Amino acid sequence: AQTVTQSQPEMSVQEAETVTLSCTYDTSESDYYLFWYKQPPSRQMILVIRQEAYKQQNATENRFSVNFQKAAKSFSLKISDSQLGDAAMYFCAYRIWGAQKLVFGQGTRLTINP
Amino acid sequence: DAGITQSPRHKVTETGTPVTLRCHQTENHRYMYWYRQDPGHGLRLIHYSYGVKDTDKGEVSDGYSVSRSKTEDFLLTLESATSSQTSVYFCAISESASGQPQHFGDGTRLSIL
Repeated sequence: AQTVTQSQPEMSVQEAETVTLSCTYDTSESDYYLFWYKQPPSRQMILVIRQEAYKQQNATENRFSVNFQKAAKSFSLKISDSQLGDAAMYFCAYRIWGAQKLVFGQGTRLTINP
Repeated sequence: DAGITQSPRHKVTETGTPVTLRCHQTENHRYMYWYRQDPGHGLRLIHYSYGVKDTDKGEVSDGYSVSRSKTEDFLLTLESATSSQTSVYFCAISESASGQPQHFGDGTRLSIL
C-alpha cells in the first residue's frame, strides 16, 4: 500500500528562523512525484513545491526547499526565514507517474511565534 | 490562481437528502478530481474524471456518484446523505496524468445532521 507519513502533528518556530517538516513515504514504484501543499486557515490548498523522483537535485522555491532522500523514502520541507504568513497546515503528498490519485499525509500544523 | 470555483461553499442538510456539489473550472484541464478532507486522514480521493463522460472511482467512492457533461463542470452527488459524509470536499484539476500538480478549489464544508 502506498502511504505517506508525517510524524510531526504540530511544529512551532520563531519568526525569521528555519524549520524543517518531515515526511516519509512507502512505495515500490520508481517513477513518482512528491509535493508539499500548504493549507492556511482560509482552507485553500496551495502548492508549495514539487519534486520529481528521477531528479537528484533538490527542488527550491524561494524560501522553501526540500531534502529528498530517495533511498530512505524521505522528503522533508525546509522553510527559511519563517514569516507569520507561513503559519498553516502543511501536507506532504505523493503521486505515481500516470496515476490519478494523490496520496496525502495527515498534515503538520506549523505555528510561527512573533 | 487556478480558475476553480466550488459551489456551494457551505451547506447544512439532513440525513437521507440528496446533495450535489459543483466544481467549475476555466482552465480547460482534462483531469478533474473530488477529494474529501477529514481530521487525521489528510485528503482522500473520491472520484476523478479524465474527460467528458469519462469517470472512475477513487479510494472512498461508496455513497458518491459523479458526472461530467462538459469539460468545465464536474458534479459530485450524494444520493442519500449520511452523517459519515460530513466533511470538507475539495475539487482539483490537472493538465495531465503525469507529474503535473493538482490545483485545488477552495473547498465546500458539508454538514449532515
